[in-house]
Amino acid sequence: QQQVKQSPQSLIVQKGGISIINCAYENTAFDYFPWYQQFPGKGPALLIAIRPDVSEKKEGRFTISFNKSAKQFSLHIMDSQPGDSATYFCAASISGYSTLTFGKGTMLLVSP
Amino acid sequence: GAVVSQHPSRVICKSGTSVKIECRSLDFQATTMFWYRQFPKQSLMLMATSNEGSKATYEQGVEKDKFLINHASLTLSTLTVTSAHPEDSSFYICSALEGTHSNQPQHFGDGTRLSIL
Repeated sequence: QQQVKQSPQSLIVQKGGISIINCAYENTAFDYFPWYQQFPGKGPALLIAIRPDVSEKKEGRFTISFNKSAKQFSLHIMDSQPGDSATYFCAASISGYSTLTFGKGTMLLVSP
Repeated sequence: GAVVSQHPSRVICKSGTSVKIECRSLDFQATTMFWYRQFPKQSLMLMATSNEGSKATYEQGVEKDKFLINHASLTLSTLTVTSAHPEDSSFYICSALEGTHSNQPQHFGDGTRLSIL
């Protein structure tokens, strides 16, 4: 089954701390893994994405770590800020197909 | 960056009304667009995939006669909720695929909050 399991469901981090959100997948055919950030009342915005040929990708304070053998990938937000408070979704797709399979989302609250 | 505009942002209407939602890619051509539905504090549920110039592909359980999709140009797809009822109230979000190859970014609109009274 094409499923992406995301944890935790919610997360509270102090300002300046590291936020870590994890995702696991079952279908080994997945080969594109984006992360989206969604603020209340808005659509998701693409944050960062990775393909399985690399184990890590960093863009500013956001880093994706990818473990192909464990079929897991995670988002790390360094120096978390109150403005990062949002819902984060991991997703996955398969080459040749354009549809995304989303995780259930993680509500992040960064306390001042 | 790629921008997707969705209109209207909010609709409140009476039961039985048909509602049309527009999704436009502003600075790129989108052969493929997607329509999602999102309930509060839940993930996005794909309703249908819309391809320019052809019939939309609906996900299992989504009524194609209820949710009419038209993708008449490379920059515009519309979703019409026909004879809407309170159970159709939800947050509807479109996305557009940048490029024609798979594994390209999907860019999302800001959603339409539909409330049926």
